[in-house]
Amino acid sequence: AQSVTQLGSHVSVSEGALVLLRCNYSSSVPPYLFWYVQYPNQGLQLLLKYTTGATLVKGINGFEAEFKKSETSFHLTKPSAHMSDAAEYFCAVSAGILTGGGNKLTFGTGTQLKVEL
Amino acid sequence: DARVTQTPRHKVTEMGQEVTMRCQPILGHNTVFWYRQTMMQGLELLAYFRNRAPLDDSGMPKDRFSAEMPDATLATLKIQPSEPRDSAVYFCASGRQGTTGANVLTFGAGSRLTVL
Repeated sequence: AQSVTQLGSHVSVSEGALVLLRCNYSSSVPPYLFWYVQYPNQGLQLLLKYTTGATLVKGINGFEAEFKKSETSFHLTKPSAHMSDAAEYFCAVSAGILTGGGNKLTFGTGTQLKVEL
Repeated sequence: DARVTQTPRHKVTEMGQEVTMRCQPILGHNTVFWYRQTMMQGLELLAYFRNRAPLDDSGMPKDRFSAEMPDATLATLKIQPSEPRDSAVYFCASGRQGTTGANVLTFGAGSRLTVL
């Protein structure tokens, strides 16, 4: 079984400040990890993903995340927040077909990011 | 850009009525997922298909929900009879399962269901 825990349901930062959204996962097999963003009244959009290889992955809109196996974490960061970053962010985990775990995504409960002037 | 199309975008109905939500996955995608989003439960997986075959519907209340893929261009989620607790946003997502197994999903805009 897999699960994701997102620490902090609401995060508030000032424009230009560092954004850090936390995600910890639990998986009995090597995980595939994802971050999705959801703007109001829209579907989820992929920000970035980790499958194998380089543990620091870069995504769209200046976001990046680092896979740390020892800490079972996949935190999302952005050096400088912009007003347009205000949205809800979801971390998700998948086992991937190669490990026989199926390919469905299990999502965290989401973190609402607020960006203030 | 290729999109996952969901209809209807909004639906208000009365308890006991049948509700059908439709999804057109992206052409060439071989996996389709149905998720439900509520404030209390977050995103819950209801069902998913690969190559039109149902693989997992364990998250779906079997007595009232059903999911099908009549063909590769259409997935449906039906609720009969609907109840107020079914009020939620229902998302369809499709993906192409490649050799790495990294199933990157593209989500539709969702169908917002309100059951009175």
